[in-house]
Amino acid sequence: QVQLVESGGGMVQRGGSLRLSCAASGFIFNKYAMYWVRQAPGKGLEWVAYISFDGSRKYYADSVRGRFTVSRDNSKNTLFLQINSLRTEDTAFYYCAKDWSGTYSRDYWGQGTLVSVSS
Amino acid sequence: QSALTQPASVSGSPGQSITISCTGTSSDVGAYNYVSWYQQHPGKAPKLIIYEVNNRPSGVSNRFSGSKSGNTASLTISGLQAEDEADYYCDSFTTSTTWVFGGGTKLTVL
Repeated sequence: QVQLVESGGGMVQRGGSLRLSCAASGFIFNKYAMYWVRQAPGKGLEWVAYISFDGSRKYYADSVRGRFTVSRDNSKNTLFLQINSLRTEDTAFYYCAKDWSGTYSRDYWGQGTLVSVSS
Repeated sequence: QSALTQPASVSGSPGQSITISCTGTSSDVGAYNYVSWYQQHPGKAPKLIIYEVNNRPSGVSNRFSGSKSGNTASLTISGLQAEDEADYYCDSFTTSTTWVFGGGTKLTVL
């Protein structure tokens, strides 16, 4: 069965960096686009980044462009999100999600990893 | 990238039907049929329930249906059940090659 497992979250000071990982299994990873979506505690969902199946196309939300970088290693079935210049408003659960066959929707999600930024 | 507009809360009694609206612009909801809906129970990851406006993934109850008119998409849940109590989010692809979620709607089953 499809599994997405995020890791790499934690507490970090404002201005710091983190690298999130998402280990994928149960599907042919190199055939699907992937997403990062975040959710501040008690708040709504916010799309963060998209990467195409081969990593050639990457798109970002305005709120993170220039600070976040999405990448993937198809040989290791792993998705990454490099987060730099962290702000307190970046505090959130970060979910990775799999694209649903080019429909621009997300059919499988991980359980999320919490990033907490302190001032 | 302004969030799509959803009502903050809706409620209904078991067996009733409810509809949640999701209003965007001609640059997102109105531009393509790439509107999806997600259900999220407390402490859980979101679950896809509708994609491409009105399609259900296999395993999702046919009590869930979607539609769109102009810049507004809608999710209808018929025959409300206690297990439907959750937060619901709409999401749309945009002409800027980005995605935008709605603010979320809390459904209470009375």
